[in-house]
Amino acid sequence: QSVLTQPPSASGTPGQRVTISCSGSNSNIGINPVNWYQHLPGTTPKVLIHSNNQWPSGVPDRFSGSKSGTSASLAISGLQSEDEADYYCATWDDSLNGWVFGGGTKVTVL
Amino acid sequence: EVQLVESGGGLVKPGGSLRLSCAASGFTFRSYTMAWVRQAPGKGLEWVSSISSSGSYIYYADSVKGRFTISRDSAKNSLYLQMNSLRADDTAVYSCAREDCTTVGCSSHLAWFDPWGQGTLVTVSS
Repeated sequence: QSVLTQPPSASGTPGQRVTISCSGSNSNIGINPVNWYQHLPGTTPKVLIHSNNQWPSGVPDRFSGSKSGTSASLAISGLQSEDEADYYCATWDDSLNGWVFGGGTKVTVL
Repeated sequence: EVQLVESGGGLVKPGGSLRLSCAASGFTFRSYTMAWVRQAPGKGLEWVSSISSSGSYIYYADSVKGRFTISRDSAKNSLYLQMNSLRADDTAVYSCAREDCTTVGCSSHLAWFDPWGQGTLVTVSS
């Protein structure tokens, strides 16, 4: 059981907007920034969004992040076939004194 | 090019030990907090341990506390993970990752993992 809760799957057709939620608590998302990672099969995880809503260089602005209270979300606009991957939210937990990840959401492009 | 390359994985019996290494290049290793993250087969990402740039601050996941030891050698640009009393549920691909920040040397809670190494597979089985 992951400390952060994500839906196990999400899907959409090309061009659609998909949103992935990430639910936590006052000891993690409630007080610390959230990062989002994309993990494509056979590759290393890649940071998509850091510090709730900041883009690393090279990440298209089709990906966007937001946070409110103890929840965060990742939105993918203009869904493309190459977006098929597993997506993870993560943040620091002050009670556990360590990083916590969501269980991951598998995005399928129909 | 910033690069992290892990080594040391393999097959080990339950109760056994293994030492993982991560060779860093392309950045000032001594300035960054480093971490180990693992992924068990068919499962999600799980943070294992982090060590600050100086080695003064070390954190472990509850699942490995007392069994695993993280360390670093800045002269060799290397990160290590000593794993003892291994169990079947430790079977995973272990990756090292740099904790990156807007300002070098920030606290972990403000950081993110970038980049990640390709990982090394640890299999615990009799």
